[in-house]
Amino acid sequence: DAGITQSPRYKITETGRQVTLMCHQTWSHSYMFWYRQDLGHGLRLIYYSAAADITDKGEVPDGYVVSRSKTENFPLTLESATRSQTSVYFCASSEDRVKENEQFFGPGTRLTVL
Amino acid sequence: GENVEQHPSTLSVQEGDSAVIKCTYSDSASNYFPWYKQELGKRPQLIIDIRSNVGEKKDQRIAVTLNKTAKHFSLHITETQPEDSAVYFCAASRGGFNTDKLIFGTGTRLQVFP
Repeated sequence: DAGITQSPRYKITETGRQVTLMCHQTWSHSYMFWYRQDLGHGLRLIYYSAAADITDKGEVPDGYVVSRSKTENFPLTLESATRSQTSVYFCASSEDRVKENEQFFGPGTRLTVL
Repeated sequence: GENVEQHPSTLSVQEGDSAVIKCTYSDSASNYFPWYKQELGKRPQLIIDIRSNVGEKKDQRIAVTLNKTAKHFSLHITETQPEDSAVYFCAASRGGFNTDKLIFGTGTRLQVFP
């Protein structure tokens, strides 16, 4: 579990501000994912990436931007934060999506948008 | 797209009793069904998974069953212990390169009372 980290762990921001959540993994996993967790909704996929420079939308991508210039990093940016984006954000990685391998989750970032 | 429904949302059992959590999925092409456990304030972790070519899988006190015809799968925990208290998420995906997304259910909060 120490192989995937997220920063910051807690963030408070204001409506309209840009926020970037960082995710870093040391396993050289091909696949990386961003989820948001809200009460009553479980874990919802925001974006995922199959490899460096390859990203794709998940269930709830609106208002978010991702990039993956290096295999180990997968930052998530909220370009103009809204109150509805208050949530706990989890990053995850997996070795090989084709084999449907286990996804390993980071510790999460609790984001509050005032 | 895929939709995963999970029931019940909360479940309370006495220590030593069994617990069953049920999920249904909508996409008949789904072929991979993992279960994740999330303890309070922690990250989700995989506890067991099953593929569509298998009807049942066991790992000590936990088991998962799959009924492809009815499109539902269940998690069974026997001889429950207080440390089993957590939120459990089911998920479904099609598998395969770049064709699927892991869709989660809304979670079941299991409380095991001593």
